[in-house]
Amino acid sequence: DTAVSQTPKYLVTQMGNDKSIKCEQNLGHDTMYWYKQDSKKFLKIMFSYNNKELIINETVPNRFSPKSPDKAHLNLHINSLELGDSAVYFCASSQDLIPYEQYFGPGTRLTVT
Amino acid sequence: AQSVTQLGSHVSVSEGALVLLRCNYSSSVPPYLFWYVQYPNQGLQLLLKYTSAATLVKGINGFEAEFKKSETSFHLTKPSAHMSDAAEYFCAAMTGTASKLTFGTGTRLQVTL
Repeated sequence: DTAVSQTPKYLVTQMGNDKSIKCEQNLGHDTMYWYKQDSKKFLKIMFSYNNKELIINETVPNRFSPKSPDKAHLNLHINSLELGDSAVYFCASSQDLIPYEQYFGPGTRLTVT
Repeated sequence: AQSVTQLGSHVSVSEGALVLLRCNYSSSVPPYLFWYVQYPNQGLQLLLKYTSAATLVKGINGFEAEFKKSETSFHLTKPSAHMSDAAEYFCAAMTGTASKLTFGTGTRLQVTL
């Protein structure tokens, strides 16, 4: 069974569109995260939720809105997509806050044309 | 702010040779430290972590890392490289009460025959 899953794996869309990426974890973890990996492989955290409560919100444009319907799911909705949003987005989860390891999903490659 | 520096964006070793990937952190308080590996088109997998217990940490696939506070380093080593070790390796740090991981820029390990 996949521990952290993301859908879709690939997403190609045009500028200005709105899209969502879904994430689910079956590990029973309390905390979930969204990371962005740019074309140079640099990874940066975007958001973190603990028991459906937002606890980390980095400097991310308001066009990005995370939603956690329950602690096993953390979705990422992106409005008015821009070329610079093209990246690989990773979802992750951890058992609790520090210092437990984070388990990563396979990633969603978003390409904005 | 916490930062993680990985010296060498690309390291090439021969199969059977020693692998040494460098990581330095900047923090007045020793952080929790992690090494992750990313195989092509996959998510990140934890290799090992330092959480202020033993300074020499053993991980999966024969990797280990040593925490040296005096040098603010957490270098990753493996005595004998295998072709299957070819991947991108990320060092990451976590400090304070937030569960935010700060990643280095990654090191691509190439293993040649």
